[in-house]
Amino acid sequence: KNQVEQSPQSLIILEGKNCTLQCNYTVSPFSNLRWYKQDTGRGPVSLTIMTFSENTKSNGRYTATLDADTKQSSLHITASQLSDSASYICVVRGTTSGTYKYIFGTGTRLKVLA
Amino acid sequence: EAGVVQSPRYKIIEKKQPVAFWCNPISGHNTLYWYRQNLGQGPELLIRYENEEAVDDSQLPKDRFSAERLKGVDSTLKIQPAELGDSAVYLCASSLVGGADTQYFGPGTRLTVL
Repeated sequence: KNQVEQSPQSLIILEGKNCTLQCNYTVSPFSNLRWYKQDTGRGPVSLTIMTFSENTKSNGRYTATLDADTKQSSLHITASQLSDSASYICVVRGTTSGTYKYIFGTGTRLKVLA
Repeated sequence: EAGVVQSPRYKIIEKKQPVAFWCNPISGHNTLYWYRQNLGQGPELLIRYENEEAVDDSQLPKDRFSAERLKGVDSTLKIQPAELGDSAVYLCASSLVGGADTQYFGPGTRLTVL
């Protein structure tokens, strides 16, 4: 069964600290993996997209890694800010019966405290 | 450029009543998605349109849910009759083409069924 699991479920850190969020997936065949940021009461916004051949991709203070062999991805946030408080959702695109599907994780809820 | 527009933002109804949500995607985006997001969960795809054609509605509860995308632009999602378990946020997203292209999400409609 195609699944995307994220950990931790929630995380609280102090402003200025770094943190790493994890995403494990069993989606096959794999097409790409995205990390989204979802602020409370808003729709998700794409942070990064990674394909099979990409190991690392950065977007400002966000750095995503992908290990396609172990089917794991991580999102590292450097020097966290209060505005980083949000849910971070990992989404994997797979292909089934000639069409594609997006499998969403349940997200990690990050709270950054002053 | 305007983003994905959804209305209403909030809706409270009693069970067994009908309800409809409207979505206007980003201009020029061929692909439109409707998702349902329960509290603390990731979005689940209900239906995906390529222009005016519904290409993936496998997760749409067809006994009570219906959707249309006339002229391949804006779209309406309807629930009739609503049940208590339908309380959720309904997100609309659009992208230029399906697959690798970025999905842009609207703010969602928060539905409460009493």
